[in-house]
Amino acid sequence: GENVEQHPSTLSVQEGDSAVIKCTYSDSASNYFPWYKQELGKRPQLIIDIRSNVGEKKDQRIAVTLNKTAKHFSLHITETQPEDSAVYFCAAPPRRGSTLGRLYFGRGTQLTVWP
Amino acid sequence: EPEVTQTPSHQVTQMGQEVILRCVPISNHLYFYWYRQILGQKVEFLVSFYNNEISEKSEIFDDQFSVERPDGSNFTLKIRSTKLEDSAMYFCASRTPRQGTEKLFFGSGTQLSVL
Repeated sequence: GENVEQHPSTLSVQEGDSAVIKCTYSDSASNYFPWYKQELGKRPQLIIDIRSNVGEKKDQRIAVTLNKTAKHFSLHITETQPEDSAVYFCAAPPRRGSTLGRLYFGRGTQLTVWP
Repeated sequence: EPEVTQTPSHQVTQMGQEVILRCVPISNHLYFYWYRQILGQKVEFLVSFYNNEISEKSEIFDDQFSVERPDGSNFTLKIRSTKLEDSAMYFCASRTPRQGTEKLFFGSGTQLSVL
């Protein structure tokens, strides 16, 4: 099955700095890469996703880049704010033919933004 | 935004007991999932459910687990005889049937503790 590795496990930045979280995946057939944010005690929520036919996608302060050749994708948060503090999970689906919605998740990155 | 709701938020049970975790997916969603997260580990897929039957299950989802959609709104996960290693946060998720939309909506989870 798919193997998703995520780094770093913890990340501390000063407010206003940028944060980058990286994930690698093993299945070259994977074609959809979401990022979820989970605040303490709350549900995981999708913040951005990217498909394999696109190299980069931006949504305000958040961007995701995808390198299909190297099989890695990254989450970039610019101008970080304390409310960005949360656990961030990357995910990827297994090979085609598997159920849509089945995702393999990374271990998560605890991002802390210090004011 | 509509939400997936899960009850209870916490469940404590004795080893060997049966537990039922309940979920109410978003009303127009047709695909339903259970995931779990053991403390400090990855979020793991358990099972997907569509059209009143299981469409895919992981190796974790053994004979002790079952899912059911007893009526038009609830989606349940039953663990017949709990084991210590079943202790985890269990997330229900649902997805719209709309083509090209893979976004999963997660519930806030049920923390299951098996003593």
